[in-house]
Amino acid sequence: EDKVVQSPLSLVVHEGDTVTLNCSYEVTNFRSLLWYKQEKKAPTFLFMLTSSGIEKKSGRLSSILDKKELFSILNITATQTGDSAVYLCAVNGGGGSYIPTFGRGTSLIVHP
Amino acid sequence: DAGVIQSPRHEVTEMGQEVTLRCKPISGHDYLFWYRQTMMRGLELLIYFNNNVPIDDSGMPEDRFSAKMPNASFSTLKIQPSEPRDSAVYFCASSFRDRAGGYTFGSGTRLTVV
Repeated sequence: EDKVVQSPLSLVVHEGDTVTLNCSYEVTNFRSLLWYKQEKKAPTFLFMLTSSGIEKKSGRLSSILDKKELFSILNITATQTGDSAVYLCAVNGGGGSYIPTFGRGTSLIVHP
Repeated sequence: DAGVIQSPRHEVTEMGQEVTLRCKPISGHDYLFWYRQTMMRGLELLIYFNNNVPIDDSGMPEDRFSAKMPNASFSTLKIQPSEPRDSAVYFCASSFRDRAGGYTFGSGTRLTVV
């Protein structure tokens, strides 16, 4: 059974801090790893990673994958209150279909 | 593009009643997924369809749950009879296979069974 574990479960920081969110996984036939941001409603897609060592970047957010050690990190620099959300990690594996397994998420709260 | 549209946004019902949740996927997407999210269990896949055909319903909790996709632009998730432990947020998502996971989620239906 595919498994995705995120840490920490929750994090409280002040604006301007840098945070690192972790995602480790066990999956058969890894295809891709996905990061989503979930505010009050639906998860919104952030990144898809397929290759080790190649950083994906979008503004203050960046992510990297290590396929040897089976983990990914999501970094957020100079955090803002608008970054407060649950960050979900998901991994695609298994057979021929792209059906991800989601982790439980990391709840990030950024105080002004 | 209006995105994935779900209705209703909120549903409060009494135990034993039938509940029907609705979803309109993004036009052109060939995969449709139903997820349930709770604090205890996180985001769980219930069932998914490919080209309107149910592919895997192993996540459906029990026979009280059923899902249909009569055409490419509409799907329903039905719970009959509903129970308090079904209270959760139910998300519908759609994707085009080649994007390998860049799902678009609907805004969800918050179901409360009292």
